[in-house]
Amino acid sequence: EAGVTQSPTHLIKTRGQQATLRCSPISGHTSVYWYQQALGLGLQFLLWYDEGEERNRGNFPPRFSGRQFPNYSSELNVNALELEDSALYLCASMSISGISAGELFFGEGSRLTVL
Amino acid sequence: GQQLNQSPQSMFIQEGEDVSMNCTSSSIFNTWLWYKQDPGEGPVLLIALYKAGELTSNGRLTAQFGITRKDSFLNISASIPSDVGIYFCAGRLMNSGGYQKVTFGIGTKLQVIP
Repeated sequence: EAGVTQSPTHLIKTRGQQATLRCSPISGHTSVYWYQQALGLGLQFLLWYDEGEERNRGNFPPRFSGRQFPNYSSELNVNALELEDSALYLCASMSISGISAGELFFGEGSRLTVL
Repeated sequence: GQQLNQSPQSMFIQEGEDVSMNCTSSSIFNTWLWYKQDPGEGPVLLIALYKAGELTSNGRLTAQFGITRKDSFLNISASIPSDVGIYFCAGRLMNSGGYQKVTFGIGTKLQVIP
C-alpha cells in the first residue's frame, strides 16, 4: 500500500511569489493535515481537511490556504511568500476507521526555501 | 500555534543507556501518539495510546498514557545508534463532530554516542 506522497520534494521561490504544495493521502484516508516545521521548531499545525472541507486551521495568516479534492488529495498554497516561510511542510493523512483509526501517517515533506 | 510541553528538548546519551522523555498538557486528550523523525524524513508513528493508564510496549520502546489524560511518557531501553532522531509526542481529542486537530510537542532531539 502506498504511503502519503508529497510533491515537490524541494521548491525554491523568491519573496512575493506563490508556492503550491501537493499531497496524496493513503488510499481510504479522508482526512489530510498540513504542518509547518521550521528549522529548530516543532510541528506547527496549519490546516485540517476532511471530506473536502476545511475543518480547522492553525494560527497562520490567510495567505496560507488550501483545498481538498474529491479524491481526497490536497493542495497547500502560500501566497506573497516571506523569508520566514522557509520550512519543511509536512502532510499527514488519517483514517477514521479500522485498526489504525486516529493515527497520523506522514509524507516525507516538501522543503520550501524562500530567497 | 498550540504546543504540548515536551521535555527534555535534547539529550546526549551513551549507547546502551535508557532514555526517558515526557509530554504534559493543560488540556486532556483521549489519544496520545509518539512519533520519530529521522533527518530528511517525515515523522513515523511509534506507539499509539488510547486509554488513560494504558502502558504499551513496542520492542525497546515503552509508552504510557497518564491517568489524568494530560501527560504521557516514552522510554527507550538499551539505546542504539539508530535511535538518533527527533521524537514527537502528540495529543488528539476526538469530539462528537469528528476529529480535532492533533497537537504536537516541540520534539526531543536524541543523540546517541557510540
